[in-house]
Amino acid sequence: GENVEQHPSTLSVQEGDSAVIKCTYSDSASNYFPWYKQELGKRPQLIIDIRSNVGEKKDQRIAVTLNKTAKHFSLHITETQPEDSAVYFCAAPFYGQNFVFGPGTRLSVLP
Amino acid sequence: EAQVTQNPRYLITVTGKKLTVTCSQNMNHEYMSWYRQDPGLGLRQIYYSMNVEVTDKGDVPEGYKVSRKEKRNFPLILESPSPNQTSLYFCASSSPGGRDEQFFGPGTRLTVL
Repeated sequence: GENVEQHPSTLSVQEGDSAVIKCTYSDSASNYFPWYKQELGKRPQLIIDIRSNVGEKKDQRIAVTLNKTAKHFSLHITETQPEDSAVYFCAAPFYGQNFVFGPGTRLSVLP
Repeated sequence: EAQVTQNPRYLITVTGKKLTVTCSQNMNHEYMSWYRQDPGLGLRQIYYSMNVEVTDKGDVPEGYKVSRKEKRNFPLILESPSPNQTSLYFCASSSPGGRDEQFFGPGTRLTVL
């Protein structure tokens, strides 16, 4: 079946450092790639997304890059802060609107 | 306030006792979806709906049913719950096609004994 792989599963960084999470997907027809942040005990919330007609999108300290040829996209967080500590999920649509999420990355920002 | 609501938030039940988890959104979204979240497995889509009377299976539909009789409501039905359906369930809605931000409900924690 369709698959979204996400790495790493856990990531610890020092406050102020950068964090990068990478996802790969299997359906070359996928054209929308969101990233969600889930804080402990809360619902997932969209932090940034990218469509297949662009290669990069940035929103303050957060950026997403897309490589359609290699079928992977990455989340970049710069100048990390303690409030960035959460679980991050990537996702991709298959066969239209069947969304498959990655297994998640637990990011810990150490003070 | 734009929101997705789910009820109940917590439910403990026994094997075989039919239950329904309700989901409602007030954003006039066409697309709605149900996910289950289990440790280490992320969010897995159970069913989704593109619009009223249009539903389709996600990755893990076995043991679940849904209906979409009204645009705002998308209930999840477990006809005969089993312990392997113990999980955290999220409903979500989005603008047409799902290729936009999905707004998630607060979640329903279900335990099947």
